[in-house]
Order: sequence, then structure tokens, then C-alpha cells
Amino acid sequence: QSALTQPASVSGSPGQSITISCTGTSSDIGLYNYVSWYQQHPDKAPKLLIYEVTNRPSGVPDRFSGSKSGNTASLTISGLQTEDEADYYCTSYARTTPVEFGGGTKLTVL
Amino acid sequence: QVHLVESGGGLVKPGGSLRLSCAASGFILSDYYMHWIRQAPGKGLEWVSYISRSGDAFYYADSVKGRFTISRDTAQNSLYLQMNRLRAEDTAVYYCARDRSGYSDDYDIWGQGTMVTVSS
Repeated sequence: QSALTQPASVSGSPGQSITISCTGTSSDIGLYNYVSWYQQHPDKAPKLLIYEVTNRPSGVPDRFSGSKSGNTASLTISGLQTEDEADYYCTSYARTTPVEFGGGTKLTVL
Repeated sequence: QVHLVESGGGLVKPGGSLRLSCAASGFILSDYYMHWIRQAPGKGLEWVSYISRSGDAFYYADSVKGRFTISRDTAQNSLYLQMNRLRAEDTAVYYCARDRSGYSDDYDIWGQGTMVTVSS
């Protein structure tokens, strides 16, 4: 069981917006602004999308955005595209262990 | 171009050992914290271990503590993971990853992964 809770799946149509939540505790997401998000296509390595809650590495489209409220972080993808269909993982620095991963969310673009 | 390339995976019997390698190019590996992260077939990501920039601090997930050892060779610009007393539950794709900042535990460069299968 993952320390961070994500929905198993979400779906949306091209052009729509979706949000993936990542719920932790006051010892990880609630305590640190060190939440990151990754995109993983089948049989590929994960790719960093968001770091430190809201920051995008160069090359990541601004359709991807991150936020946090209390113990829950969120990844929003606006203007969904078919190539966004992938698995998405959140992570957070935690007080008791170096890093925790969420269980992952499968995004289906209908 | 910044790259990480893992090697050394394969099929091993329970109780056996394997040594994974991760060759870095385009950057100096010892300038960064480096991590191993694994993914069991059809499952999510699991952090395994890290080594500090200085090379004198290590940390392991409880699931591998006492069995796995992380190390690096600055001359070879490579990272290693020595895996002993392997179990079926260690079966996974193993990725090496570069820690972007050293304080926020996010990974900006990943290798392609190497598959480790533990089975009799």
C-alpha cells in the first residue's frame, strides 16, 4: 500500500481538463513543498513533469500544472491530448523516509 | 546530451546476487545525489536507495536494507547496485535516476531501466 493515495484511474476527452489528486499526511505533503509529478508511458521510463509543487522543467508544456492544499497535491492537465494517455505518479519528501511515491493514476483519453 | 544507461539485469535464482550498473554521460555523477528506483511488473514505482554527492551517505528502503548496497565509481562516472540474497519480490525493472536538486527528492534524468527477474 502506497503512502500517498492517488485515484486508480481518471479519464477525459481531448481538449478537456482533468485533475489528479495525491493525498498524503501532515508528515509529507502537508509539511514540505517538495511534491513532484511524473508521467510514464508504457514500457518507458518516468518523466519529470512538476517539481516543488508548481514548477515545470524546461520542455514540459504549460498545459501541465501543479498545486497543493493542506495534505493534498494536485496535477491538472488542460487541453487534453491523446499523447497525454499514460500513468501519472506523485512523490513527496517525507519526514520519516527519503521519498514516498503514490500508487499511480492511469489517465485514459477517450 | 545527458544520459543514464543501466545494465546488469537478468534472471537469477532466489538467494542469488546481481550487480547493476548505471553509466552517466553528459554530466558528472558525483555532483548529484543518485537514486535507484524500481517497478515490479504491472505495479507502481518504489524508491530503493540513494547515495549522496559526497559518496559517504547512503539510505535504503526497509525492503532491501541489509541485502542491497549502493556505490559509485567517480573515475567511471558510474553508479552501482549490488543486490544479494535476492527474493522473488525483488523482481522489477530497476531505474537509476538523478536527483535534480539534492534536497527535494525529484528526479530529472532517468535511465531506460534494466529488468531483474528472480525465479527458480
